[in-house]
Amino acid sequence: KAGVTQTPRYLIKTRGQQVTLSCSPISGHRSVSWYQQTPGQGLQFLFEYFSETQRNKGNFPGRFSGRQFSNSRSEMNVSTLELGDSALYLCATSARWGNTGELFFGEGSRLTVL
Amino acid sequence: QKEVEQNSGPLSVPEGAIASLNCTYSDRGSQSFFWYRQYSGKSPELIMFIYSNGDKEDGRFTAQLNKASQYVSLLIRDSQPSDSATYLCAVNKGNTPLVFGKGTRLSVIA
Repeated sequence: KAGVTQTPRYLIKTRGQQVTLSCSPISGHRSVSWYQQTPGQGLQFLFEYFSETQRNKGNFPGRFSGRQFSNSRSEMNVSTLELGDSALYLCATSARWGNTGELFFGEGSRLTVL
Repeated sequence: QKEVEQNSGPLSVPEGAIASLNCTYSDRGSQSFFWYRQYSGKSPELIMFIYSNGDKEDGRFTAQLNKASQYVSLLIRDSQPSDSATYLCAVNKGNTPLVFGKGTRLSVIA
């Protein structure tokens, strides 16, 4: 059974640019969550999607957005990049939504903003 | 006050010893508690979860929950160098997303 696949794994952008990250969940997993991980703040929740609907949203500015497609694949977008957006972006999936912390994480997309 | 607090470590224990990792949480309504392990350069992986007060054992791992004290712990018996990693405590309630602590770095010395 294939795991959670995130692309790209590494990317370098400059301030003001935008970036799109992709996540393909484990087959049968319909819930996709995104987290930002930095050394200073740890893992911080961005948003969660289930059945193409955003179910929860974290405390991030509107520059951070996401969506989910009918095949459960998800993308997140960060516009007008800032230096502080440099982080590891982790996608995590689960078979169902609601009251489950049994998440399966992808290897992450490491974003560096120069 | 941070929602989920962990000592950042590093916690160093000799091989074969018991490693004790602790976590406190601020939301008394929290219902579910999880321990994730994250090796350096890798993504987190779930190792234990606990929902009820008391102990839950799985192999060399024991999770302990005390809701009255808002305290969760993870014990690793017979610690091995391969257990060296960062251990993340996470909690949630209802349909809310997981809230993670910043993790405790464990180093098992051979």
